[in-house]
Amino acid sequence: DQQVKQNSPSLSVQEGRISILNCDYTNSMFDYFLWYKKYPAEGPTFLISISSIKDKNEDGRFTVFLNKSAKHLSLHIVPSQPGDSAVYFCAAFTGNQFYFGTGTSLTVIP
Amino acid sequence: DTAVSQTPKYLVTQMGNDKSIKCEQNLGHDTMYWYKQDSKKFLKIMFSYNNKELIINETVPNRFSPKSPDKAHLNLHINSLELGDSAVYFCASSQDGPVNYGYTFGSGTRLTVV
Repeated sequence: DQQVKQNSPSLSVQEGRISILNCDYTNSMFDYFLWYKKYPAEGPTFLISISSIKDKNEDGRFTVFLNKSAKHLSLHIVPSQPGDSAVYFCAAFTGNQFYFGTGTSLTVIP
Repeated sequence: DTAVSQTPKYLVTQMGNDKSIKCEQNLGHDTMYWYKQDSKKFLKIMFSYNNKELIINETVPNRFSPKSPDKAHLNLHINSLELGDSAVYFCASSQDGPVNYGYTFGSGTRLTVV
């Protein structure tokens, strides 16, 4: 039962443009949502989070938007840089555990 | 200095063998976890330990057993390995609630059972 879904396995964006990564979830009880970034042969690293009581959180070039009615989460990266090329996982938290999506591989083309 | 380190990075072994994966964190975190990433890239929690107590134990076969000699270590022992155990296993740790700062993950151990 996959409660967090990332339906786009890959995304390519030109350097300097906006990257939008999407995530959908099914459980309305999720309290927090996080985005992780993962380079090959490394573990995921925490990027940005948002509480379910907010609809937007911004950190530098990264902004996460939460639409609770649609059960949809998105990560915007502006402007995109080649170093942003990685796999991005969204994760949702409730109770005492996280549920992860399967990731979206972002390629930023120089 | 690696915050969460796992060894080995790669492990190839035959069916039926018993193997261990080690994990150490030098962050002083209270809680450590083991996650399994299967062939579909799905990350799923297996265990977590908080102050030497098991606080999450999902529906994982009892061939898998976590062992925590101290707060900085959480090792994963797997008995009678099966082909379906092939995956990447990630160790992670967290402090003061993972929702604010997320987990700190290790770089993963790719286990291949042949």
